[in-house]
Amino acid sequence: EVQLAESGGGLVQPGGSLRLSCAGSGLTFSSCDMNWVRQAPGKGLEWISYNSRSGSTTYYADSVKGRFTSSRDNAKNSLYLQMNNLRAEDTAVYYCARDKHIAHWGQGTLVTVSS
Amino acid sequence: QLVLTQSPSASASLGASVKLTCTLSSGHSSYAIAWHQQQPEKGPRYLMKLNSDGSHSKGDGIPDRFSGSSSGAERYLTISSLQSEDEADYYCQTWVTGKGMVFGGGTKLTVL
Repeated sequence: EVQLAESGGGLVQPGGSLRLSCAGSGLTFSSCDMNWVRQAPGKGLEWISYNSRSGSTTYYADSVKGRFTSSRDNAKNSLYLQMNNLRAEDTAVYYCARDKHIAHWGQGTLVTVSS
Repeated sequence: QLVLTQSPSASASLGASVKLTCTLSSGHSSYAIAWHQQQPEKGPRYLMKLNSDGSHSKGDGIPDRFSGSSSGAERYLTISSLQSEDEADYYCQTWVTGKGMVFGGGTKLTVL
């Protein structure tokens, strides 16, 4: 069974940093394009970053470009999201998701940016 | 710029069928999409990938009551024999090469 498990969420002050992790199991992680998607409270789904199978290609939504960095370690079956200079509007549940047409979702981790 | 348009809400009676629509913006009628379901207070769940020719591949454990079809720039999700647990938000999603992922605004389905 494919499982994606996010971790690292929590409460952080505006301007602070946080690093999310996503651990994959039950799949050949190195063969999967991976994404981060978030959902602010009461809102729809917002894609924020893509990481190619090798990690050599990344794309970001304009809303996070320059502040967030996505990376992966295929040897550890893990995807990461380094979030810097966090703002209140970054408050959301963050999901990792597999493939360009998403075929699996993680359960999500909540990030709250507040003073 | 590719935009996916969904009606904000839909409703249908228990046991009936409902057809949800996702419309691709002009010039993008060949794009495949994916449908996702998000039940209240839960994370999203992949339902199916739907191609422009109407062929689709469903996720593990998705009941036969869920089916997909296409016509031009429209992508449809049909749910038959509606059950209470089908009450959820439904999102369509696609990928734009070199740009990233696009989501529709979602349709909130109410089962009456």
